Amino acid sequence: GIQVEQSPPDLILQEGANSTLRCNFSDSVNNLQWFHQNPWGQLINLFYIPSGTKQNGRLSATTVATERYSLLYISSSQTTDSGVYFCAVASLAGNNRKLIWGLGTSLAVNP
Amino acid sequence: DVKVTQSSRYLVKRTGEKVFLECVQDMDHENMFWYRQDPGLGLRLIYFSYDVKMKEKGDIPEGYSVSREKKERFSLILESASTNQTSMYLCASSRAGGRNEQFFGPGTRLTVL
Repeated sequence: GIQVEQSPPDLILQEGANSTLRCNFSDSVNNLQWFHQNPWGQLINLFYIPSGTKQNGRLSATTVATERYSLLYISSSQTTDSGVYFCAVASLAGNNRKLIWGLGTSLAVNP
Repeated sequence: DVKVTQSSRYLVKRTGEKVFLECVQDMDHENMFWYRQDPGLGLRLIYFSYDVKMKEKGDIPEGYSVSREKKERFSLILESASTNQTSMYLCASSRAGGRNEQFFGPGTRLTVL
């Protein structure tokens, strides 16, 4: 089945710094989502982005479907950005109701 | 806005008890999902349902069952809770077809003693 790899696994930033998180996937997808899991465990939808580029405030994401990767950019990071960022995909070849998850990038933003 | 709610944020049960976790969504979504999340293992799919009374096993269905009698409600049942079922349980829903974006509830932290 499709594999999803996220990097880096851990990241520590000073407030105000920028960062890029990466998600690689091994097959064609028809769904790619980025989530932020806050310290209370809630998964918050950041982007639905099977292809192309989107921006929402200080966050933006780009998926290059032909090269099978997606990038999440965080600019001017704030302490509230801390948490775990997950990438999840649904494969065109598989059951496209099911999401396949990466193991996440754990981000800590220090004041 | 899509809203997915779960019946409890925290739950403590004893080994052998029957446990019900309830999930309700208000966006008329066809698909509903139950995941568990454990440190280092990420999110793993337990069961999902693509229609009322329809269900499909996920990656780790052993020890669990589900019920979907109404479109908006999806229940996860632990017939006889065990300590290795101590975990964070997350419910999600999505539309069928097209933009199949999943939306999550706040999660239930279950501890089995």
